[in-house]
Amino acid sequence: AQTVTQSQPEMSVQEAETVTLSCTYDTSESDYYLFWYKQPPSRQMILVIRQEAYKQQNATENRFSVNFQKAAKSFSLKISDSQLGDAAMYFCAYRSALDFDGQNFVFGPGTRLSVLP
Amino acid sequence: DGGITQSPKYLFRKEGQNVTLSCEQNLNHDAMYWYRQDPGQGLRLIYYSQIVNDFQKGDIAEGYSVSREKKESFPLTVTSAQKNPTAFYLCASSIQGANQPQHFGDGTRLSIL
Repeated sequence: AQTVTQSQPEMSVQEAETVTLSCTYDTSESDYYLFWYKQPPSRQMILVIRQEAYKQQNATENRFSVNFQKAAKSFSLKISDSQLGDAAMYFCAYRSALDFDGQNFVFGPGTRLSVLP
Repeated sequence: DGGITQSPKYLFRKEGQNVTLSCEQNLNHDAMYWYRQDPGQGLRLIYYSQIVNDFQKGDIAEGYSVSREKKESFPLTVTSAQKNPTAFYLCASSIQGANQPQHFGDGTRLSIL
């Protein structure tokens, strides 16, 4: 079974600075999808960014970008120009390309990010 | 606006009582899911459904039940058999396809009286 690890339970960053959240995963599959979700204090999970394993180019969404290292099974999230609204719990998630019914959407334990003014 | 609505936001259960958490979506998604979230842990899958009148157990289905009588609705019942129900429950939906992300509701926090 696949597993997702987020080794940093908590992190903090100064407003306007850059922070990187780490995520590693374990899988024997070659085709899969990776996601970063944000869960602010309001508790609604929001999709931040998505990466297809077959794409070498790292995904970017405005101030959010990933560093996808397939061989190392690493999928870190970089937040540039951090804002107070970025404070949230961040979850890394893995989904097999063979997961047609959604039962293997695997989430990491999360990293709580604080943004300091 | 399209989205997923969970209700209530907070729910309290007495010992031996069954309670039902509501989840409604107007995104026209076929797939719906229920997750349990505990502090320091990722989301754990309780039940999922790909089509109306069909659903499957996830990793932690014991003590829970669901129904899928309508495409837009996927209620979760926490039964008295669930001995540790205190948690945050999240409902999600998605379009069919492995590359599709899941869209989440605001969640329901269930506590024991």
